Amino acid sequence: AQSVAQPEDQVNVAEGNPLTVKCTYSVSGNPYLFWYVQYPNRGLQFLLKYITGDNLVKGSYGFEAEFNKSQTSFHLKKPSALVSDSALYFCAVRSYTGRRALTFGSGTRLQVQP
Amino acid sequence: EAQVTQNPRYLITVTGKKLTVTCSQNMNHEYMSWYRQDPGLGLRQIYYSMNVEVTDKGDVPEGYKVSRKEKRNFPLILESPSPNQTSLYFCASSPGGGEGNQPQHFGDGTRLSIL
Repeated sequence: AQSVAQPEDQVNVAEGNPLTVKCTYSVSGNPYLFWYVQYPNRGLQFLLKYITGDNLVKGSYGFEAEFNKSQTSFHLKKPSALVSDSALYFCAVRSYTGRRALTFGSGTRLQVQP
Repeated sequence: EAQVTQNPRYLITVTGKKLTVTCSQNMNHEYMSWYRQDPGLGLRQIYYSMNVEVTDKGDVPEGYKVSRKEKRNFPLILESPSPNQTSLYFCASSPGGGEGNQPQHFGDGTRLSIL
């Protein structure tokens, strides 16, 4: 079975500081990995994905994520946080093969203080 | 505008009264999916469809039905709703039903309360 762990329910960071939102995964074979963001009363919006190739993936709004196969991690990062980055962030995984279902983590709330 | 449209956005109903939540996408996507979002649990996949007339169970399919008769529509049916199905529901779609490496586009959600 595939699974995703987001160990922090909430991450607090000051505006202008770097941020990291953690994600580890478990899947059979190679993974497709995604990060999504959810603002209040809205659906999820795609930020970035890892399919293959370069381990550092760049996405929307200045976010990036680093794929680490040995640690089975895909942490989301941003060099300088904005107050407008405050939202709920979800990591998701599915396997190259087998079930086509996508598995999400439980979400991490990012709070950026002015 | 490319979008996934869910209806209704909000619904309060009673146990046992059949209901349908509609989902429609205008992007000609092959893949469509339903999720429920509950506090502390993230999103859990209910059913997905890789193309017309092809559906499969996700992680929490019990108590739900789906159909995919047309490419653009993927309704979620609760034949006999129960209070444990009170949740926030999202429909999503993406291109390339077989590859699964495309990001999904989400609707704005349907909040169901079953009394």
